[in-house]
This record gives sequence, C-alpha cells and structure tokens, in this order.
Amino acid sequence: AQRVTQPEKLLSVFKGAPVELKCNYSYSGSPELFWYVQYSRQRLQLLLRHISRESIKGFTADLNKGETSFHLKKPFAQEEDSAMYYCAKETSGSRLTFGEGTQLTVNP
Amino acid sequence: NAGVTQTPKFRILKIGQSMTLQCTQDMNHNYMYWYRQDPGMGLKLIYYSVGAGITDKGEVPNGYNVSRSTTEDFPLRLELAAPSQTSVYFCASRPVRVANTGELFFGEGSRLTVL
Repeated sequence: AQRVTQPEKLLSVFKGAPVELKCNYSYSGSPELFWYVQYSRQRLQLLLRHISRESIKGFTADLNKGETSFHLKKPFAQEEDSAMYYCAKETSGSRLTFGEGTQLTVNP
Repeated sequence: NAGVTQTPKFRILKIGQSMTLQCTQDMNHNYMYWYRQDPGMGLKLIYYSVGAGITDKGEVPNGYNVSRSTTEDFPLRLELAAPSQTSVYFCASRPVRVANTGELFFGEGSRLTVL
C-alpha cells in the first residue's frame, strides 16, 4: 500500500530559526509529491508541488529518491508559518494519500 | 466562483441516526473526494469519483455511501451513525489530470459528532 509518513506530530521553533518538516514515502518509481497547509480557520490548500521546483512563502522541498523523502524546509521561520502541514503523494486513480500531518508552531 | 461548498459546517448526531453531508463545486471539476480528518491520523480517503455516475471506495469506506448524479454534487451519506464516525469531513475536487498537476481544492470542512 502507498504510504506517506510524517514522523513529527508537533514541531515548535522560534521565530527566525530554520525549520524542517520531514516526510517519507513508500517507494514509487516516479512519485508526484505535494505539501499542503492548513492555517487556523482556513481551508486546506496546496503549498507546493515537487515537479514545479518552486519556493512558496520561503518554503522549499527537495525530492530525494534515494531516501524516499520530501522534506519541507524554510531557513527563517515566521510566526505566520504556524499551521498544520500535510505531505501528500499521488497514487493510482488520481487520488492523493496524505501523511499524518505536522503541527508547526513558531514562537515569538 | 464559490469553489467547494460543504453543508452543514457542524452537526451532532445520536448513535444510529442517519444524515447526509452535502458537497457541491462550481468549477466543473471531474474528480471529487471525501476525506475524514482525525487528530494524529491525517486525512483518510473515504470515497472518490472521477465523474458523474462513477464512484469508488477509498481507504475507509465502511459506514458510508456516496452518489454522483451530477458533476457538481457529491453527497456523503452516513446510514447508521457510530461514535467512530466522529470526525471532520472534507470534500475536495480537482480538474482533469492533463490540466492540473495534482492540486485538490478543499471545502471548509464539516465537523460531525456522534453521541
């Protein structure tokens, strides 16, 4: 079965510190991976996708096929980054499998 | 565009009652999904649909039913509510794969409590 694992349920950092949210996935030849974010009282929304190789709100994520990882990183966390983050992987039938989520808190 | 609209936002049910969570989208998306979100468990796929008249089970379909008579609507029905169905339910949609690289558009969620 396709699996996405986020080992940290809670992550707390101070403003200005680097942050890394971990994501590992079950092996797949050419995975399509995403990070979604849910801010307080807002809808779940796409943050970034690996095929775009983009930086959104200062966040980047690099696909490492050897380690089957897709960690989300930001060099300097901001208070407004506090949110729930979900890693997701496209599976057969145009479905997305989500990880368990990581609640990020950025303290002032 | 309103996007994906879910109703109701909150509902309390007694064990054994039935109800339908409504979901409608005005973006003409072919694909629609129902997820449930439990603390520490992430989002689990209940049912999905790739177009009107076509539905399929996800990871956790037991206790639920869906229908897709139109492109716009994808209701989720709970026939005999159980406490294990206490959760936040999210409906989502996306367009055809060629025009989209995986982005799902989510509703605001429906918080259901079964007592």
